[in-house]
Amino acid sequence: EIVLTQSPATLSLSPGERATLSCRASQSISSYLAWYQQKPGQAPRLLIYDASTRAAVIPARFSGSGSGTDFTLTISSLEPEDFAVYYCQQRSTWPLTFGGGTKVEIK
Amino acid sequence: QVQLQESGPGLVKPSETLSLTCTVSGGSVGSGTYYWNWIRQPPGKGLEWIGYVYSSGSTKYNPSLQSRVTISADTSKDRFSLRLSSVTAADTAVYYCARESWGSGWRGLDVWGRGTTVTVSS
Repeated sequence: EIVLTQSPATLSLSPGERATLSCRASQSISSYLAWYQQKPGQAPRLLIYDASTRAAVIPARFSGSGSGTDFTLTISSLEPEDFAVYYCQQRSTWPLTFGGGTKVEIK
Repeated sequence: QVQLQESGPGLVKPSETLSLTCTVSGGSVGSGTYYWNWIRQPPGKGLEWIGYVYSSGSTKYNPSLQSRVTISADTSKDRFSLRLSSVTAADTAVYYCARESWGSGWRGLDVWGRGTTVTVSS
């Protein structure tokens, strides 16, 4: 099973700041990585797939990069609605797995 | 626009079988390059993939749950179902159904249901 390790667990930032979230895979997953945003009481929402492709209607301030084992989600300038938990997920090998999540909270 | 909706009992007794259904509207379970997934999230914890049924009817399960899980599709009603047997309190979670798309390549879990809370308790 591929383990995805997300860091940091919590990121305390102010609106307008840049957020950089990391996801590291226990073995190479090529570009089979997605990022999801989850707000309290809601289902996750797809942000990025194939490591760097924005899903439909996702704002351009969200960007993804990386391949192999190291991946990054960047939010260029945090909006109030961006404070949430973010998960990475791999599709390279069964079982599909998710990282433990990074909570982006208001400082 | 495709929408997913989970339904089923919110309370299940220990050792019994949890049964949930996901109804697909605006799309077809039996066509296209889609995988129809079940994912769960215990209270205050992260996401765990349970398994999927492909549009052809083939299935794949998480090895950690494989001995207790069955996922099936009813293409005539555009819905797919989850059965999890011999449940314990550790199976208490929000259960989501989600569509995974493969167009010209992998496109992630792009449509999710709202989730349904299942509590295992006597």
